[in-house]
Amino acid sequence: KAGVTQTPRYLIKTRGQQVTLSCSPISGHRSVSWYQQTPGQGLQFLFEYFSETQRNKGNFPGRFSGRQFSNSRSEMNVSTLELGDSALYLCASSRQGRLGNNEKLFFGSGTQLSVL
Amino acid sequence: KQEVTQIPAALSVPEGENLVLNCSFTDSAIYNLQWFRQDPGKGLTSLLLIQSSQREQTSGRLNASLDKSSGRSTLYIAASQPGDSATYLCAVEGNTPLVFGKGTRLSVIA
Repeated sequence: KAGVTQTPRYLIKTRGQQVTLSCSPISGHRSVSWYQQTPGQGLQFLFEYFSETQRNKGNFPGRFSGRQFSNSRSEMNVSTLELGDSALYLCASSRQGRLGNNEKLFFGSGTQLSVL
Repeated sequence: KQEVTQIPAALSVPEGENLVLNCSFTDSAIYNLQWFRQDPGKGLTSLLLIQSSQREQTSGRLNASLDKSSGRSTLYIAASQPGDSATYLCAVEGNTPLVFGKGTRLSVIA
């Protein structure tokens, strides 16, 4: 059974550009969550999608957006990149993702974004 | 607002030692607490999930306990091996999606 797949693995962008990251969840998983990981702030929740709808959102500016397709694959987009957006972006999938369901999360290997 | 703290931030032990990693959280209204392992530059691997009604979970050489009332969890690793070297993160799920601690970086020296 294939795991969570994130592409690309590495990205280098310059300030002001935009970027799109992709995540394919485990087959049968309908919930996809995105996290940003930096040395200073650690792992922070960005948003979660279920059945093509954003169900939860973290405390990030509107430059961060996402979407989910009918096959549960998800993309996140960051517009007008800033130096502080340099981070490892991780996505995770689970079957339902509903709070209180006590489901384990399965993470991808992440996309390392560097903004110059 | 839920806050999760992990102490120590880094730990170095000789191979074969038993060790304990600590995690504390400020809001006891949680559904579960999870422990993850992260290797450098990689994603997270789920190790153990403890539901709020449970006191502990075991998997192989790993044992995690949960004391919800005091806001604490421990991860016990028995007979540590160099392959256990990684960053260990705890996370709690309550009325918001998972809130993570900043992790404990473990080095097991052969």
